[in-house]
Amino acid sequence: DQQVKQNSPSLSVQEGRISILNCDYTNSMFDYFLWYKKYPAEGPTFLISISSIKDKNEDGRFTVFLNKSAKHLSLHIVPSQPGDSAVYFCAASSSGNTPLVFGKGTRLSVIA
Amino acid sequence: EAQVTQNPRYLITVTGKKLTVTCSQNMNHEYMSWYRQDPGLGLRQIYYSMNVEVTDKGDVPEGYKVSRKEKRNFPLILESPSPNQTSLYFCASSLDRRASDEKLFFGSGTQLSVL
Repeated sequence: DQQVKQNSPSLSVQEGRISILNCDYTNSMFDYFLWYKKYPAEGPTFLISISSIKDKNEDGRFTVFLNKSAKHLSLHIVPSQPGDSAVYFCAASSSGNTPLVFGKGTRLSVIA
Repeated sequence: EAQVTQNPRYLITVTGKKLTVTCSQNMNHEYMSWYRQDPGLGLRQIYYSMNVEVTDKGDVPEGYKVSRKEKRNFPLILESPSPNQTSLYFCASSLDRRASDEKLFFGSGTQLSVL
C-alpha cells in the first residue's frame, strides 16, 4: 500500500503564477517531510523540508505547508519560472531507522 | 566538490550476465542507499546501509546484492540480471540517517537496459 501519494502525475502552470503541488500520506508515524526536485538526466536534489512540529516552512519562492490532521502537505512555488519545470517528489520519514518513503512524483511544466 | 558518483551512466546488458554498478561519495556520509525509478512508480528503495558492514533490504531487494566494505563505496550487484530490472538507478547518501535532517544527496543515475 502506498504510504505517500502524489495524485497528480502532471501539472501545467503559466510563468509568474503560483504552482501548487500536493502530497498525501497515510502513515501517522511520519514526522519529517521533504520535497525533491528532479531534472531530466540528473539525480533528485533536495528542495525544502518540514518537521511535523511546524505547519509551514518557507525558503524564497518555495513554501511547504503541512496539515497533520488531514495528513496532507503541499508545495507552493510563487512566482513560477520556466526553470522550475521538473519532476517533484514528496518524501516522508519517521524517527528512527526507517527508510525514506517517496511518492511517485508530479511533473511540473511552467509555460512562458 | 561534494558529490555522489555513479558508474556507468548507461549500461546495456543481456539476461544472466553479472554486472556491478559502482557508487562512491566523498562527503564522509554514514548512510548510503540505492533506488530505482520506474515510470508511474516513483523512487523505490532497493537496499540501504547505515554504516560500514551494515546493510538492510529496502522495498524491492529481490535480484540485487550490495556490500559496504568501505564508508565511501556502496556497489550494487546484479548477479543474474533479468529484463524486469531494466530501470533508472540512483545511489544516494546522507550524513546520518538517524538525524532529523534527512537530506539525501543523489548521484546522476545509471540507466540500465537488460535485453
